[in-house]
Amino acid sequence: KAGVTQTPRYLIKTRGQQVTLSCSPISGHRSVSWYQQTPGQGLQFLFEYFSETQRNKGNFPGRFSGRQFSNSRSEMNVSTLELGDSALYLCASSPLTFTSGEQYFGPGTRLTVT
Amino acid sequence: DQQVKQNSPSLSVQEGRISILNCDYTNSMFDYFLWYKKYPAEGPTFLISISSIKDKNEDGRFTVFLNKSAKHLSLHIVPSQPGDSAVYFCAARTAAGNKLTFGGGTRVLVKP
Repeated sequence: KAGVTQTPRYLIKTRGQQVTLSCSPISGHRSVSWYQQTPGQGLQFLFEYFSETQRNKGNFPGRFSGRQFSNSRSEMNVSTLELGDSALYLCASSPLTFTSGEQYFGPGTRLTVT
Repeated sequence: DQQVKQNSPSLSVQEGRISILNCDYTNSMFDYFLWYKKYPAEGPTFLISISSIKDKNEDGRFTVFLNKSAKHLSLHIVPSQPGDSAVYFCAARTAAGNKLTFGGGTRVLVKP
């Protein structure tokens, strides 16, 4: 099976702009979660989507949003970018039965805000 | 409020010896604990997990131990290999869903 794919891999944006990142989960996986990794805060949970519905949300401002499509692909959007949004954004997918909590991560999108 | 902590930012070990990585947590609602390995410019790779009702889980060279009373878990890698050099993250989740809470990571260097 193909792994989790994320596009684009690298992105440079300017403060105030908005950005959309895309994630394609492993085939058959219906849960998609997003995480932000920064040197200062580590890996932090953004939100989780399951069957096109947001099921969990982390402690991030409303500028961070996401959605999931009927084919389980997901996008996350960050509006009014700030310098502090520079980070590695990781997407992870899980199968319907996730009894052991495993999530499978994509390679991430490196976002740089200047 | 850091619910999952890895107090050792780095660890250096000789090839063939044991690597022991530690993790402490505060939330007694966590039902699963997981270990991930991460190389630079890649996403984390799942290694092994343990249910909160167990105290040990083994998979090849990797063994995870859970001490619920101490709210502490550890990952043992035996024998350590140079390819194990990476950053290791401890993570935990509650039964409420797929939200993983991560520790800060431990960078492991295995010397040949």
